[in-house]
Amino acid sequence: NAGVMQNPRHLVRRRGQEARLRCSPMKGHSHVYWYRQLPEEGLKFMVYLQKENIIDESGMPKERFSAEFPKEGPSILRIQQVVRGDSAAYFCASSLDRVPYEQYFGPGTRLTVT
Amino acid sequence: AQSVTQPDIHITVSEGASLELRCNYSYGATPYLFWYVQSPGQGLQLLLKYFSGDTLVQGIKGFEAEFKRSQSSFNLRKPSVHWSDAAEYFCAVFTGGGNKLTFGTGTQLKVEL
Repeated sequence: NAGVMQNPRHLVRRRGQEARLRCSPMKGHSHVYWYRQLPEEGLKFMVYLQKENIIDESGMPKERFSAEFPKEGPSILRIQQVVRGDSAAYFCASSLDRVPYEQYFGPGTRLTVT
Repeated sequence: AQSVTQPDIHITVSEGASLELRCNYSYGATPYLFWYVQSPGQGLQLLLKYFSGDTLVQGIKGFEAEFKRSQSSFNLRKPSVHWSDAAEYFCAVFTGGGNKLTFGTGTQLKVEL
């Protein structure tokens, strides 16, 4: 049973480019969460999605960031016009519908903006 | 608003010594509490969790944690540390309102041989 998959594992972008981070939840999981870990900090919640719906995006920066979880395919976290401050590790987690508190994390995508 | 405090940023212990990592939380309702471990360059692995019932919970890799409501604490313990335990440890509380985990800033554990 495969765990949460994230790709790419490492991503380098120049300032102003777009970054697309992908997350495939565990089989049977319909809830996806994105968290960001800045250097020397803990993980901070960004957004919570169910299939085709954004449930809570209270942790997302208001501009340049967007997320989706389509009916088919992985969840995507998109960062437009990246800046150096976006350099961080981005983790995806997934859970079953009935146990949202048991979140299983992927290995993360480490984004570096040069 | 909910918050999690891990007062120790770095801890160094000798292999074979006992370990206690501190965690305090602030949350109005009965908390769901978790400890995760993160090895360098890796994702988070769940060590143990507390929802209700027995306040002493056992986890993987020989770890345990004790929930103390009166102290708003959920400290992680291990009787004898192994060199492979060197990693970063995060305490987290689940808040049902948004289905989100709120994490502490982490404690970096170094094990001396």
